[in-house]
Amino acid sequence: DTAVSQTPKYLVTQMGNDKSIKCEQNLGHDTMYWYKQDSKKFLKIMFSYNNKELIINETVPNRFSPKSPDKAHLNLHINSLELGDSAVYFCASSSCPDPPCYEQYFGPGTRLTVT
Amino acid sequence: LAKTTQPISMDSYEGQEVNITCSHNNIATNDYITWYQQFPSQGPRFIIQGYKTKVTNEVASLFIPADRKSSTLSLPRVSLSDTAVYYCLVYSNQAGTALIFGKGTTLSVSS
Repeated sequence: DTAVSQTPKYLVTQMGNDKSIKCEQNLGHDTMYWYKQDSKKFLKIMFSYNNKELIINETVPNRFSPKSPDKAHLNLHINSLELGDSAVYFCASSSCPDPPCYEQYFGPGTRLTVT
Repeated sequence: LAKTTQPISMDSYEGQEVNITCSHNNIATNDYITWYQQFPSQGPRFIIQGYKTKVTNEVASLFIPADRKSSTLSLPRVSLSDTAVYYCLVYSNQAGTALIFGKGTTLSVSS
């Protein structure tokens, strides 16, 4: 069973479109994250949710809106897509103190290409 | 937030021991040192964590000197499948805290 899953794995779309990426974890964790890895492979936190509540919201354009319908899901909706949004988006989850807070479980990533 | 510095890349051959050193001069008292591994086209994976001295698990060893300003990840007898990017992170052990990734060290293992 996949611990953290994301759909779709690949997403190719045109500028100006709206798209969503879904994430689900079956680990029973109470915290979920979205990270973005750009073309230079730099991995950066975007959002963090704990028990469906937003706790980290880095400087991300408000075209990006996370939604957590329940503890096991954290979806990412992106409006008016731009070329610069092309990247790999990773979902992750954790639960403190068991497992320890520094141990986050990452999904396989969603490669978004905006043309 | 403590910043980490590690080599951009390293090359090795199968069967060798690889040591990747990370410096974190501004580490705080409540910070932990953790290492992640990322294979191409996959998400990062936790491999080891430590606070001080030495930690060993089935994958690697982590050496941390008394001043904690640096740490060394040791991979014994690497194989081709150890080719990956290795990230050193300093982490404050609080719920919901995000991981702050640097550029990592790209390890290339050849036969």
